[in-house]
Amino acid sequence: EPEVTQTPSHQVTQMGQEVILRCVPISNHLYFYWYRQILGQKVEFLVSFYNNEISEKSEIFDDQFSVERPDGSNFTLKIRSTKLEDSAMYFCASSEQQIHEQYFGPGTRLTVT
Amino acid sequence: DAKTTQPNSMESNEEEPVHLPCNHSTISGTDYIHWYRQLPSQGPEYVIHGLTSNVNNRMASLAIAEDRKSSTLILHRATLRDAAVYYCILRDLIQGAQKLVFGQGTRLTINP
Repeated sequence: EPEVTQTPSHQVTQMGQEVILRCVPISNHLYFYWYRQILGQKVEFLVSFYNNEISEKSEIFDDQFSVERPDGSNFTLKIRSTKLEDSAMYFCASSEQQIHEQYFGPGTRLTVT
Repeated sequence: DAKTTQPNSMESNEEEPVHLPCNHSTISGTDYIHWYRQLPSQGPEYVIHGLTSNVNNRMASLAIAEDRKSSTLILHRATLRDAAVYYCILRDLIQGAQKLVFGQGTRLTINP
């Protein structure tokens, strides 16, 4: 069964460093998303992406964040200058159409020290 | 997005049915009711969705009240693997809603 994959599973970085989280969505899906979950808290929407552009973003997704689909398979989330409060699980998701169910990856645990 | 209310936690026994309630008294006519779950240390997983009629799939059943102000996710025969946080989410799909808005959900514990 097709699945969303994410790498790395765990990333440790120092405050102020740039990180790139990578995702490979399901191959025939057209809509892509990033969510995050701070330990013990709710899953929060960050951004949705379709047709090579951002279609919606939350207040969390400020100028420090960016997304890209550099080729036909990868979807990346970049945090330019990480802060301690960026420590969280980051989940990538994809869907075939925007009204369809979303399929989530296993997540990347980001630890900022 | 319209809000949903779920119990913080529920407990059940293995091989017994589980009924997970969700209240959504401010639901609009175009809101679909979606259920996702999150197993420990995993990403959320789609379970089922419906609009007005009851729905069944291989994972669960969804019973929707006639006035649509509440719904119940039914796991017919719970296994230990069903221990997870279950989220009831409303999505206005007619307007093309994309993002999922997660609440705190119901943490389901299954006793062996």
